[in-house]
Amino acid sequence: NAGVTQTPKFRVLKTGQSMTLLCAQDMNHEYMYWYRQDPGMGLRLIHYSVGEGTTAKGEVPDGYNVSRLKKQNFLLGLESAAPSQTSVYFCASSYFLSWTSGGAKDTQYFGPGTRLTVL
Amino acid sequence: GQNIDQPTEMTATEGAIVQINCTYQTSGFNGLFWYQQHAGEAPTFLSYNVLDGLEEKGRFSSFLSRSKGYSYLLLKELQMKDSASYLCAVTSNDYKLSFGAGTTVTVRA
Repeated sequence: NAGVTQTPKFRVLKTGQSMTLLCAQDMNHEYMYWYRQDPGMGLRLIHYSVGEGTTAKGEVPDGYNVSRLKKQNFLLGLESAAPSQTSVYFCASSYFLSWTSGGAKDTQYFGPGTRLTVL
Repeated sequence: GQNIDQPTEMTATEGAIVQINCTYQTSGFNGLFWYQQHAGEAPTFLSYNVLDGLEEKGRFSSFLSRSKGYSYLLLKELQMKDSASYLCAVTSNDYKLSFGAGTTVTVRA
């Protein structure tokens, strides 16, 4: 199994350009997430999905849109990129929604990341 | 909201022990994760604590005190490959993970 994969690995954009980041998972997970990671700030949730056809806003959703047309894919779109969106983007997926059962099966599995620079 | 604090950096010698503390203030706390993240790579799961007490997994152990809003990750017999960032993350009554900023551990020979 490939786990969670992300495309592309690196990208440089000019201010105002648009792009889509693709996340794919082959673990049949219901739940998928997009995070951004910035120095000194940890991982912050952008958007998430609790199933095919559903999406919801996370902590920092402004300037991003998402779609989950197929269970295994979760797309993150930047309609008009800004320098403040320079970051490393991680996709993650998980099987369980409830954390109360404990253990590794509740964990989120992360993709390798996309390093995005907006000039 | 969530407030999660952990030290920014720690340095230790190969073979030594290091303890990374994490304090949190959160509503509807469910459990606490520790992740390891090597530079330029994705975070990977280390441990998950729901109940108070110590969970041991080989050289790594994680402790939780729900009443104190406190956890620590203990790394024993440090190896050079343990040089990485260690992320504390808290789950609440919803599905979401809230992460601390991470602690960068440098292991020196």
